[in-house]
Amino acid sequence: EAQVTQNPRYLITVTGKKLTVTCSQNMNHEYMSWYRQDPGLGLRQIYYSMNVEVTDKGDVPEGYKVSRKEKRNFPLILESPSPNQTSLYFCASSFSRGRTEAFFGQGTRLTVV
Amino acid sequence: DQQVKQNSPSLSVQEGRISILNCDYTNSMFDYFLWYKKYPAEGPTFLISISSIKDKNEDGRFTVFLNKSAKHLSLHIVPSQPGDSAVYFCAASGGADGLTFGKGTHLIIQP
Repeated sequence: EAQVTQNPRYLITVTGKKLTVTCSQNMNHEYMSWYRQDPGLGLRQIYYSMNVEVTDKGDVPEGYKVSRKEKRNFPLILESPSPNQTSLYFCASSFSRGRTEAFFGQGTRLTVV
Repeated sequence: DQQVKQNSPSLSVQEGRISILNCDYTNSMFDYFLWYKKYPAEGPTFLISISSIKDKNEDGRFTVFLNKSAKHLSLHIVPSQPGDSAVYFCAASGGADGLTFGKGTHLIIQP
């Protein structure tokens, strides 16, 4: 079954404690990205990756890092989480960056206290 | 500067009637448009898309209309069913750029 898998689904952490949200896809997609969803703001892109070892900033990259060492995996790293990073996070993958359907993971609800 | 706008945060429609969700865009470089549906505690799922070379695309109960001169697209759901209650996101892309999403419209289908 074609899917994008994120872990964990729910996470509560404390300010400043480094965390990683994992994302894996089994569709051999080259393009992967991370979004955050906040009330009244919709989906905003954090980072994206065009291929292995190629990553770039999206619209709201501050406070986040990513890496793409393998085609199927695209982890999101918060080196020092802050309460304003409390949000719902989605990983997505697609064949290319534009003009194509993106497949989304089920989301990670992060709370930073 | 919001390039994709969904001006109705919520919409309530009676079961069996037509639901019409609207989306406006400002970037004239956008040439591919998509609608996504999102249930609580799930990721968005692709619903239907349309290329700028068309003005209509239909898939079962779902039809998307594109008016390029007005930079406007709409999603029609006929007839509306209880399972259609969800948040609907409009998205657009152009050239090699990624998807730009609107803020979403919460559709509520009332029995």
